Amino acid sequence: AQKITQTQPGMFVQEKEAVTLDCTYDTSDQSYGLFWYKQPSSGEMIFLIYQGSYDEQNATEGRYSLNFQKARKSANLVISASQLGDSAMYFCAMREGNQFYFGTGTSLTVIP
Amino acid sequence: EAQVTQNPRYLITVTGKKLTVTCSQNMNHEYMSWYRQDPGLGLRQIYYSMNVEVTDKGDVPEGYKVSRKEKRNFPLILESPSPNQTSLYFCASSLYYGGTSGSGNEQFFGPGTRLTVL
Repeated sequence: AQKITQTQPGMFVQEKEAVTLDCTYDTSDQSYGLFWYKQPSSGEMIFLIYQGSYDEQNATEGRYSLNFQKARKSANLVISASQLGDSAMYFCAMREGNQFYFGTGTSLTVIP
Repeated sequence: EAQVTQNPRYLITVTGKKLTVTCSQNMNHEYMSWYRQDPGLGLRQIYYSMNVEVTDKGDVPEGYKVSRKEKRNFPLILESPSPNQTSLYFCASSLYYGGTSGSGNEQFFGPGTRLTVL
């Protein structure tokens, strides 16, 4: 079974609108971490946001927030007020024990 | 400047010719890891290291070797490369691993090494 599932291969959003990128995960561990990374067309991997499994509050970092629903095992990324520079691939990842698992990514295109 | 460096950035080689991709970090991070990125598959962990002389297999270790003799360096070795190892490779490091605190768990990635095996 896939540890991380991202079901949206591609998404479009209008500039200044909010967008939600979906991520579900599979683990039986009680302690784990969830991450989102951005990969622009230039190829580098940029850390965006982290949520620990014991964190009761949803993580926020500027325009990024992580909608953590533990019972549903989902960790969706919400980007508010989209900008043209947000066009990129977005990867959801999970740390389980000492290993990391990444999803297949969602390609986000912001339309002017 | 805090960074993870990889060399070479691009490499074209032939089947069976041993190669090493170097990775170095200057942040005194404990945890280091190698990933390969293939279209439609995302990133997959090859090997990781929790500290000097402590390494373990990730999801796709076949055909690869690693070593961690110094804290800052974590080279990836392909002893007999094959065409199915053509990929984009990333090295990453984090201050530590495990735990539930966010700060320090996030991985910093190198710029990537694009490897083609003919």
